[in-house]
Amino acid sequence: DIVMTQSPDSLAVSLGERATINCKSSHSVFYSPDNKNFLSWYQQKPGQPPMLLIYWASTRESGVPDRFSGSGSGTDFTLTISSLQAEDAAVYYCQQYYSTVFSFGQGTKLEIK
Amino acid sequence: QVQLQESGPGLVRSSQTLSLTCTVSGGSISSGDYYWSWIRQPPGKGLEWIGRIYNSGTTYYNASLESRATISVDTSKNQFSLRLRFVTAADTAVYYCARARGHGYSPPGFWGQGTLVTVSS
Repeated sequence: DIVMTQSPDSLAVSLGERATINCKSSHSVFYSPDNKNFLSWYQQKPGQPPMLLIYWASTRESGVPDRFSGSGSGTDFTLTISSLQAEDAAVYYCQQYYSTVFSFGQGTKLEIK
Repeated sequence: QVQLQESGPGLVRSSQTLSLTCTVSGGSISSGDYYWSWIRQPPGKGLEWIGRIYNSGTTYYNASLESRATISVDTSKNQFSLRLRFVTAADTAVYYCARARGHGYSPPGFWGQGTLVTVSS
């Protein structure tokens, strides 16, 4: 199975500043015939289900603010929030859907400093 | 817009079988090349993918749960279900059902609100 490891486990960022979350997979999730990385990012707030933010590593889901961006390829990926807003405080998860067995990272808790 | 709603007992006794149903509205469960998933989250912890099923009946499971989990689809009721046998306290979690964002290979994009299942001794 593919193991997803996020870093850091938690971080505190000031309003308006940039937040960066990293995700590393134990196996490449790049599928060359499609030229795509099978990697997504989710945001989860307390008491709510996860919400899809990014898929194909860098494609924003409809309605997601453009301050959220995803980058990376192969085994190393990054979620960046360019200018942190109060409503961005949440736990963020990366997930691979490359393998027949999907897997999530352990989550990164983002707090407002 | 497709919507999903989990239902089932909130309390299950240890060594028994956990049974949950996900009711799909806003679209037919048998249309399109989508998969239907179960994902769980123990209290205060991260997400754990349980498995998924396609309309064809093809299933894939988390290896750690494969011997105990069964996912099935009932197209007549527009529902899919999870059965998890021989539960222990470690199976206490919020259980989510979800549908693929799009056809074929894509991440879970539509989620239910989740239902808490507590395993008691």
